[in-house]
Amino acid sequence: KAGVTQTPRYLIKTRGQQVTLSCSPISGHRSVSWYQQTPGQGLQFLFEYFSETQRNKGNFPGRFSGRQFSNSRSEMNVSTLELGDSALYLCASSLGGGLSRLYNEQFFGPGTRLTVL
Amino acid sequence: GENVEQHPSTLSVQEGDSAVIKCTYSDSASNYFPWYKQELGKRPQLIIDIRSNVGEKKDQRIAVTLNKTAKHFSLHITETQPEDSAVYFCAFNTDKLIFGTGTRLQVFP
Repeated sequence: KAGVTQTPRYLIKTRGQQVTLSCSPISGHRSVSWYQQTPGQGLQFLFEYFSETQRNKGNFPGRFSGRQFSNSRSEMNVSTLELGDSALYLCASSLGGGLSRLYNEQFFGPGTRLTVL
Repeated sequence: GENVEQHPSTLSVQEGDSAVIKCTYSDSASNYFPWYKQELGKRPQLIIDIRSNVGEKKDQRIAVTLNKTAKHFSLHITETQPEDSAVYFCAFNTDKLIFGTGTRLQVFP
């Protein structure tokens, strides 16, 4: 099976702009989670989508939003970019269904490195 | 709030020595504790996980122990090799996975 893919891999934006990142999960995976990774902060949870519905949300401002399509592909949008949004954005997919969903291994994509100038 | 403390933040060992990374979590209802390894420039990958119904799990040179009473879990790597050099993240579940801040392990030949 093909792994999780993310596009684009690198982005440079300026403050105030907006950006859309894309994530294609492993075939058959219905859950997609997004994380922000910065040095010293680890992986901070942004949100999780399952069957086109946001199932969970982390403690990020409303400038961060996402959606999931019927084919499980997901997009993440950040509006009004700030310097502090510079980070590696990782998505992860998992099977996601049923009571066992919290035990499902998460498979990460390569990430999108966003630089805000 | 939900959080997990991970220590140490950096760890340097000689090849062949053991390495131990410890995490303390906040939610006593948690029942799944995975460990991810992220090599430089690569994506995180699951290396081992443990569920709350067991106290220890081993897979070759790596093992994880869990103390639910103290809300601690640890990763143990024995006979370390240079290819073990990476950042290791612990995590626990609530209704989502909460990750630690990572431990950068360097194994010197």
